Amino acid sequence: DQQVKQNSPSLSVQEGRISILNCDYTNSMFDYFLWYKKYPAEGPTFLISISSIKDKNEDGRFTVFLNKSAKHLSLHIVPSQPGDSAVYFCAAKYGGSQGNLIFGKGTKLSVKP
Amino acid sequence: DAGVIQSPRHEVTEMGQEVTLRCKPISGHNSLFWYRQTMMRGLELLIYFNNNVPIDDSGMPEDRFSAKMPNASFSTLKIQPSEPRDSAVYFCASLRTVNVLTFGAGSRLTVL
Repeated sequence: DQQVKQNSPSLSVQEGRISILNCDYTNSMFDYFLWYKKYPAEGPTFLISISSIKDKNEDGRFTVFLNKSAKHLSLHIVPSQPGDSAVYFCAAKYGGSQGNLIFGKGTKLSVKP
Repeated sequence: DAGVIQSPRHEVTEMGQEVTLRCKPISGHNSLFWYRQTMMRGLELLIYFNNNVPIDDSGMPEDRFSAKMPNASFSTLKIQPSEPRDSAVYFCASLRTVNVLTFGAGSRLTVL
C-alpha cells in the first residue's frame, strides 16, 4: 500500500498563475518531507523540504505547507513559469532513518505560456 | 563537483542476459542509494549503503538482483538473469546533507 500518494498525475497551469501540487501520506512516523523536480532524461533534483515540526517553508517562488492533522502537504509555485514544467515528486522520511526516502508517483506540471 | 555519475545511460539487452549498472557517488558522501522507477510503482528504494556496508536491501525484488559497494567511490547493481519486467530507469543517489539525496541521471534498462 502506498504510504505517499500524489493523486493528480498531471496539472496544467497558465504562466504567471499559481501552481498547487498536493501530496497525502499515511504514516504518522514520517518526520521530514521533501519535494523533488524531475526533467526528462535527468535524475530528480531537490527543490524544497519541511520538517514535521513546522507548517510552512518558503524559498523564493516555492512554498511548502504541511498539515499534520490531515497528513497532507502541498507545494505552491508563484508565479509559475514555463521552465517549471516538470514532474514533481513528493517524498517522506521516517524519523531516525538516514535518508532513505519514500516517494509518491509524481505529478506532471505543464506551465503554458 | 561532477555529481553522481551513472553508467550506462541506456542499456538494451535480451532476456536472460546479465546486466551491470554502475554508480560513482559524490566524493565525501557516506551513503549511497539505488532506486528504480517504473510507471506502475513510481520511485522505489531497492537498497542503500552506509560507509560501503549494505544497511537495508528489503526493496531488492528477488535473488536475481544484487548490489555491491567495494569502496567509497563505486557501486554496482547487477541483474542476473534479466527479465522483461526488469525494464525500468535505475537511479543511484548519494546523501548530500541529512535527508537530502542527490540523484544521478539514471540508467534506462530495456530487456527484450
